[in-house]
Amino acid sequence: EAQVTQNPRYLITVTGKKLTVTCSQNMNHEYMSWYRQDPGLGLRQIYYSMNVEVTDKGDVPEGYKVSRKEKRNFPLILESPSPNQTSLYFCASSFLTQRETQYFGPGTRLLVL
Amino acid sequence: AQSVAQPEDQVNVAEGNPLTVKCTYSVSGNPYLFWYVQYPNRGLQFLLKYITGDNLVKGSYGFEAEFNKSQTSFHLKKPSALVSDSALYFCAVRKGDTGTASKLTFGTGTRLQVTL
Repeated sequence: EAQVTQNPRYLITVTGKKLTVTCSQNMNHEYMSWYRQDPGLGLRQIYYSMNVEVTDKGDVPEGYKVSRKEKRNFPLILESPSPNQTSLYFCASSFLTQRETQYFGPGTRLLVL
Repeated sequence: AQSVAQPEDQVNVAEGNPLTVKCTYSVSGNPYLFWYVQYPNRGLQFLLKYITGDNLVKGSYGFEAEFNKSQTSFHLKKPSALVSDSALYFCAVRKGDTGTASKLTFGTGTRLQVTL
């Protein structure tokens, strides 16, 4: 089954404790992206990647890092999480020429205390 | 900078009635416009898109949207709402004719509530 998977689905952590949210897709998509969803703000793009070893900042990259060592994986790293990073995070992927039909993962709900 | 406005946080409609979810956009050049739906505890799902051609585009689940260039709008419509249409709807835009370079910008979302 074609899908985007994210782990963990739910996470409670404390300020400053490094964490990684994994994202994996099995559709051989070149394009992958991370979004955060906050009430009243909709979806905002954090980082995106157009292919292996090619990443770029989205609208709200501060406090986040990403890597794209393999085509299928695009982990999101919070080196020193802060409470303002409490949010719902979505990973998405698509073929590079079909970014409008992005496949979204199920979401990761993060609470930073 | 490109942007999307969804002026209504929530739209309430009775089942069987027509529904409209509004979206206006701002982008330089030709727009590519999209609608996505998010059901509870799920990621976004693509509904429909306008790239070029006919201003009325049809998508999944009986939804359609009308592109209006003069009003810079791309309202989502359905002739007869179902309770199962209740969800969060997002409009999105990206700049067309730029190949793979342009990014997708989402609106803040409109919650559609369909009641019996």
